[in-house]
Amino acid sequence: GQNIDQPTEMTATEGAIVQINCTYQTSGFNGLFWYQQHAGEAPTFLSYNVLDGLEEKGRFSSFLSRSKGYSYLLLKELQMKDSASYLCAVTTGGGNKLTFGTGTQLKVEL
Amino acid sequence: GAGVSQSPSNKVTEKGKDVELRCDPISGHTALYWYRQSLGQGLEFLIYFQGNSAPDKSGLPSDRFSAERTGGSVSTLTIQRTQQEDSAVYLCASSLAQGRSSGYTFGSGTRLTVV
Repeated sequence: GQNIDQPTEMTATEGAIVQINCTYQTSGFNGLFWYQQHAGEAPTFLSYNVLDGLEEKGRFSSFLSRSKGYSYLLLKELQMKDSASYLCAVTTGGGNKLTFGTGTQLKVEL
Repeated sequence: GAGVSQSPSNKVTEKGKDVELRCDPISGHTALYWYRQSLGQGLEFLIYFQGNSAPDKSGLPSDRFSAERTGGSVSTLTIQRTQQEDSAVYLCASSLAQGRSSGYTFGSGTRLTVV
């Protein structure tokens, strides 16, 4: 089976930096995704990592260590609109099926 | 279309009734997925269609759940004899065949409430 762990909730201040961690135990790991989901809305794609290292996209960066089964999503210059749930998901084997963690609810405060 | 379209957006049904949920994927996307999300829970995989291959039904929770995809495009998820525990948001997503680097595109979901 697969197990994906993320913190349930985090709180951060507007303008600050926050790091959301994700650890996973899977067989046949094939890639890791981060999605953002605002309340009542569909998840939207943020990033994809398959090789070790950091992928940067504007204010958002995602890191992967395959040997440690570990990823993080880094959000810089936080804005109030970044308050949302952040979902970590992995693909395994040769398929495209995503297995999601339960998500981290991020609250950005003034 | 421009995005993944799901209908209805909300559905309230009586326990024991059958419901059909519809998903219209992005044109050209050969892969289509159904997930459900219960309050405060993560996304639970239900079923996956890829082109003309046999679907991966490994996530369907019981034989009351079924899905089909006609003509490689529109998909319908059917829940028979609905139960209160079926209440959730049912999300559909589509992707290119090798959608790994671009991820899925999700629809806005159908919020199902069984009373």
